[in-house]
Amino acid sequence: NAGVTQTPKFRVLKTGQSMTLLCAQDMNHEYMYWYRQDPGMGLRLIHYSVGEGTTAKGEVPDGYNVSRLKKQNFLLGLESAAPSQTSVYFCASSLLAGNTGELFFGEGSRLTVL
Amino acid sequence: GENVEQHPSTLSVQEGDSAVIKCTYSDSASNYFPWYKQELGKGPQLIIDIRSNVGEKKDQRIAVTLNKTAKHFSLHITETQPEDSAVYFCAASYHTGNQFYFGTGTSLTVIP
Repeated sequence: NAGVTQTPKFRVLKTGQSMTLLCAQDMNHEYMYWYRQDPGMGLRLIHYSVGEGTTAKGEVPDGYNVSRLKKQNFLLGLESAAPSQTSVYFCASSLLAGNTGELFFGEGSRLTVL
Repeated sequence: GENVEQHPSTLSVQEGDSAVIKCTYSDSASNYFPWYKQELGKGPQLIIDIRSNVGEKKDQRIAVTLNKTAKHFSLHITETQPEDSAVYFCAASYHTGNQFYFGTGTSLTVIP
C-alpha cells in the first residue's frame, strides 16, 4: 500500500550539478504533478503530466525538465542546479483531472543547493 | 491564472476552541475548492472539499463554507484537538484546467 513514493528524500548539491528526482505511484493514476514548497509561498506547480508520454508546464517550470516514459513514474530533472532551487519537492498523482481529482502526495524530497 | 490568498499565516488556539482559516480567489471560473492538511514531515492530505454549486459542507468537526459572490471560502474546525496542529492549505481549480492553485498555507497550533 505504498501510494506515491519519492526518491531520494534528501539531497545536497553544488551549484551547477545535475540530478533527477524519481516519483513512483502504484494507484494506476493518469495525472502526475511536481510541486515545490517554499516558506510563505505555498505549493507551486512546476510541471505536470496528463498521461504516459505527455508533459506540460506549470507555474514555475524554468530550470526543470520532466519525463513520463511509464505511467507509474514521473521524473523531475535539474540540469544545472542553482541555489534558488533549494526547496522541498512534492510529487502528487490523481485519478482524475484537476477539477475532480483528489491529489495524493508523496512525503517530499528536500533539496539543498550550495 | 488564478490567484489564491490565504489568511492568517499562523494561528494559535486553545484546545477545545474553534479555528477559522479564510481564502479568497480571483477567477470566477474556479469551481472546486479543496483543503489539504500537512503534518510535519509529510505530504499534504485532502481533508474536505467543496464545489461551487454548494454553499456549505460538513464532516464531523470540520466544515467548509463558500461565498461565490464574494469569491471566498473558509475552513472551520470546531472543538480543536492537539492532533489538529498542522499546516492547512486551501486550493482552487476550474473544470477546464489540469492544475490546482494553492494558498500560502496556515500553520495551526492547538495548545493543550
